[in-house]
Amino acid sequence: GAGVSQSPRYKVAKRGQDVALRCDPISGHVSLFWYQQALGQGPEFLTYFQNEAQLDKSGLPSDRFFAERPEGSVSTLKIQRTQQEDSAVYLCASSLVSENSPLHFGNGTRLTVT
Amino acid sequence: GQQVMQIPQYQHVQEGEDFTTYCNSSTTLSNIQWYKQRPGGHPVFLIQLVKSGEVKKQKRLTFQFGEAKKNSSLHITATQTTDVGTYFCAGRGAGNQFYFGTGTSLTVIP
Repeated sequence: GAGVSQSPRYKVAKRGQDVALRCDPISGHVSLFWYQQALGQGPEFLTYFQNEAQLDKSGLPSDRFFAERPEGSVSTLKIQRTQQEDSAVYLCASSLVSENSPLHFGNGTRLTVT
Repeated sequence: GQQVMQIPQYQHVQEGEDFTTYCNSSTTLSNIQWYKQRPGGHPVFLIQLVKSGEVKKQKRLTFQFGEAKKNSSLHITATQTTDVGTYFCAGRGAGNQFYFGTGTSLTVIP
């Protein structure tokens, strides 16, 4: 079966541009997570959905970051007015239920802000 | 906020030597998961530990969860070149989100 799919794979944005990153989780997976991974660092938690409900957005670094999952499946992470410090790999993960299920990660979107 | 630290940050070993990475949390964890990330890849789930003092083995890999559920370790016996990558622990705190450790990058010299 298909794994978690993220698009685009690479994105180059000029400082100040808005970007939208897409995540297609594994079918039937209730929970969806977004992480930010800077080079040489561990994934940093951004936000978490259970179905369409955003249960935790405490990791979003600023109000320029916004995530949604309107129908409880596909999710979009939007970054407004990108800054150079936003450059990182954005990883999406899904799981059956969050409590004791493994996270299945997509290949990520590498965002470079110039 | 939740902090999960790992040591060492980097480890170079000769093929056949053992390797251990340690994970420490500032708070008690509900459970802990371990992931492996190959260079250029994404984290891949290895195992989950739930009970205090739990020990699990996967072939040459041994995972332990501390009695206080604040620390964990991964030990690899007789490393092989296929073990190369970065190993992350991820702890689940009070909520349902997982917080990843800083990772240990393993290099195996043939």
